[in-house]
Amino acid sequence: DVKVTQSSRYLVKRTGEKVFLECVQDMDHENMFWYRQDPGLGLRLIYFSYDVKMKEKGDIPEGYSVSREKKERFSLILESASTNQTSMYLCASRGTGKLNGYTFGSGTRLTVV
Amino acid sequence: GESVGLHLPTLSVQEGDNSIINCAYSNSASDYFIWYKQESGKGPQFIIDIRSNMDKRQGQRVTVLLNKTVKHLSLQIAATQPGDSAVYFCAGEGVTGGGNKLTFGTGTQLKVEL
Repeated sequence: DVKVTQSSRYLVKRTGEKVFLECVQDMDHENMFWYRQDPGLGLRLIYFSYDVKMKEKGDIPEGYSVSREKKERFSLILESASTNQTSMYLCASRGTGKLNGYTFGSGTRLTVV
Repeated sequence: GESVGLHLPTLSVQEGDNSIINCAYSNSASDYFIWYKQESGKGPQFIIDIRSNMDKRQGQRVTVLLNKTVKHLSLQIAATQPGDSAVYFCAGEGVTGGGNKLTFGTGTQLKVEL
């Protein structure tokens, strides 16, 4: 069964910490995405990558960075965590060509205290 | 830019009834749409998709209708079951730019009453 795996389901971090959220997919997909999900705001795109070492800003990149050193892994980095980054983080991947949906991971619920 | 939204944040239905969840979009050039289901504590799961050259597509117990004239799509669930309780999102993709990205609506919470 193909899947997108996020390394942690729940994380609690302190303000100012550097936080790494890891995502791995086994579908050989070129495109990978990081979203955050907040009540009433839906899914908001933070960053995405369409190839190894390539990255593009999404709608809300401030306070985040990403790394894609290998095709199967896309990491989201919070350089200095803040309480307003408490959220559910969802990773997704997608193959090339249009008319394909995303495959999502199970999400990481991050709490910054 | 494109926006995709849902009409109602919450929908309650009786078990066995049909459910209709609605979604509107702003970009008339959008050519592909997907419905996702998200159960509590899980990531969104693909339900059904539709291309803009279609106005209806059916799956198992689900039907998606697309009305390009009013830029509206709906998800119909037949004989709603308790296991259908979840948040449902529509997502759309435009023709130009963002070719690899979907825009998501805010979601409708479907509650199935026994």
